[in-house]
Amino acid sequence: DSGVTQTPKHLITATGQRVTLRCSPRSGDLSVYWYQQSLDQGLQFLIQYYNGEERAKGNILERFSAQQFPDLHSELNLSSLELGDSALYFCASSVRGARNSGANVLTFGAGSRLTVL
Amino acid sequence: DAKTTQPPSMDCAEGRAANLPCNHSTISGNEYVYWYRQIHSQGPQYIIHGLKNNETNEMASLIITEDRKSSTLILPHATLRDTAVYYCIVRVELTNTGKLIFGQGTTLQVKP
Repeated sequence: DSGVTQTPKHLITATGQRVTLRCSPRSGDLSVYWYQQSLDQGLQFLIQYYNGEERAKGNILERFSAQQFPDLHSELNLSSLELGDSALYFCASSVRGARNSGANVLTFGAGSRLTVL
Repeated sequence: DAKTTQPPSMDCAEGRAANLPCNHSTISGNEYVYWYRQIHSQGPQYIIHGLKNNETNEMASLIITEDRKSSTLILPHATLRDTAVYYCIVRVELTNTGKLIFGQGTTLQVKP
């Protein structure tokens, strides 16, 4: 157990639907990162939050959105789902996330597997 | 982020040392080298990181060349459970926000 909790572990839904993935970071970690891993692609960085604020954005579609709440858990919302959104979605957390910091180790959760039919 | 180059795949005999190379010729002085691995469909697992000096922990050793343009991850006694994709990542600390950009990694197959 890495200390990063993701729910649900598996999710099957239909095209056009909307889902929410949830992530609880390790105790004491302020940054949350979301990654997408499709079957034939590597780990793609989506978005990062640090202490409730968006810190970095990657290849995140406009149909996707995320937020980090005051208790530091984060949710990734995926809407108007398409077949191509089927993937593993990983959340990671770290203590740091601000600039001018030292080494920053990310701890990953076990992932949420989304299947869009 | 500085770019890294890794061989796409490697084999290693069980019980032998696995040496995974990584080239990062564009690395700058304040960039750390991180190694992660991903065992089939599991979340990536942190292994080790270093800046200039060689590092060792309970999982592996990291050897960084003096010019810092390449590094080698060493798994001293590989087991079948070490079969995974290994990622070498170089990240700027002072200007980056902390995110990691993963490449394609090296698929290590440990064989009996």
